[in-house]
Amino acid sequence: DIVMTQSPDSLAVSLGERATINCKSSQSVLYNSNNENFLAWYQQKPGQPPKLLIHLTSVREFGVPDRFSGSGSGTDFTLTISNLQADDVAVYYCQQYYNTQTWTFGQGTKVEIK
Amino acid sequence: QVQLQQSGPGLVKPSQTLSLTCGISGDSVSNNRANWNWIRQSPSRGLEWLGRTSYRSRWRNDYAVSVKSRISVTPDTSKNQFFLQLKSVTADDTAVYYCAREIVGIAGFDIWGQGTMVTVSS
Repeated sequence: DIVMTQSPDSLAVSLGERATINCKSSQSVLYNSNNENFLAWYQQKPGQPPKLLIHLTSVREFGVPDRFSGSGSGTDFTLTISNLQADDVAVYYCQQYYNTQTWTFGQGTKVEIK
Repeated sequence: QVQLQQSGPGLVKPSQTLSLTCGISGDSVSNNRANWNWIRQSPSRGLEWLGRTSYRSRWRNDYAVSVKSRISVTPDTSKNQFFLQLKSVTADDTAVYYCAREIVGIAGFDIWGQGTMVTVSS
């Protein structure tokens, strides 16, 4: 299986500042046939299921604030939360799908307010 | 609006079979652009995809290697729902279980059930 490793495990950011979460895959998740990276980001709050924020590396889901942005390619990806709000306190996960037809998730990054 | 509603027991005895149901509203289990998945979450394993069922002119399933010998994910078109069966459970299978939809080409699970905490204990 492709292993997804997130860093850091947790971070504390001041309100209004930027949070940056990294996700590294053990092998490339770039589909050469369509040049897409099958990488998604989720937000999970206590007692709730994960919520899809971004798919195909950088495409925000409907209703997700534009302060959330995704980037990267191949094996290295980043989720950036600009202008951090109190409502953004959560655990964030990256997830890949590649030709093994098996999804794998990162271990999660906890975002808190400093 | 698509919603997934989970049901099933929260306590299963060791060596028995874990069985959960995911009811679908606002979409069809036969949608040929959707995959219907089961995922679990535990402190020890994190988020773990278990398997899915999908209809592409015929039904097909895909399962995680870690549970392939014990899992079955099946559709019920008459009630627009799908099932998870996990056999021979142990304490290591204790987790919150989620059903989730995946739309082909989106590469993400966009709709989730509410989650079911399943404890394996005698």
